[in-house]
Amino acid sequence: NAGVTQTPKFQVLKTGQSMTLQCAQDMNHNSMYWYRQDPGMGLRLIYYSASEGTTDKGEVPNGYNVSRLNKREFSLRLESAAPSQTSVYFCASSPLGSSSDTQYFGPGTRLTVL
Amino acid sequence: AQTVTQSQPEMSVQEAETVTLSCTYDTSESDYYLFWYKQPPSRQMILVIRQEAYKQQNATENRFSVNFQKAAKSFSLKISDSQLGDAAMYFCAYRSASKDMRFGAGTRLTVKP
Repeated sequence: NAGVTQTPKFQVLKTGQSMTLQCAQDMNHNSMYWYRQDPGMGLRLIYYSASEGTTDKGEVPNGYNVSRLNKREFSLRLESAAPSQTSVYFCASSPLGSSSDTQYFGPGTRLTVL
Repeated sequence: AQTVTQSQPEMSVQEAETVTLSCTYDTSESDYYLFWYKQPPSRQMILVIRQEAYKQQNATENRFSVNFQKAAKSFSLKISDSQLGDAAMYFCAYRSASKDMRFGAGTRLTVKP
């Protein structure tokens, strides 16, 4: 049982390049999330998927797109990377998506945009 | 808007001693949940403890306990018998039915041998 996995662990992009961050969970959770973590700040929600087939914007969605490919996988895409998107990105999942749920996090992806 | 404030950017504690990390939050809702997450150098976010706002009893998980003061909107984490492995960033988080999870900026805890 691997929990939540993310690929890649590290990535360096040039301004304007695109890339997709992959996330998968094997806990049969309904809900999945993408967060970013910047120095001196807590995690901020980018997008989430309450259940397979649905996605919604979080606190900081600009510059990102997401796809809930199936129940297991939730990807985050940067179409045209900007230096302001340099951050550590975390994927998380939770059983039901309710406010009482515990969220389980992946190990993170450190992204640098030059 | 809901905000979570951790007023202590850094804290240190001697091994085997007790330390308390502070967290306050702002909300107009009555039903919500509070969490403490630990982030060690590996970056993995790990749930430490959670508290339901409707419960008056403070949550406890082994050496970790909270002091939940609903009227004061305060949710502090007490770590007893601190161990070297407790060294990490600690994040307080809030979630209600109508809002996404909101995190504080974190407190970096150092444990001195």
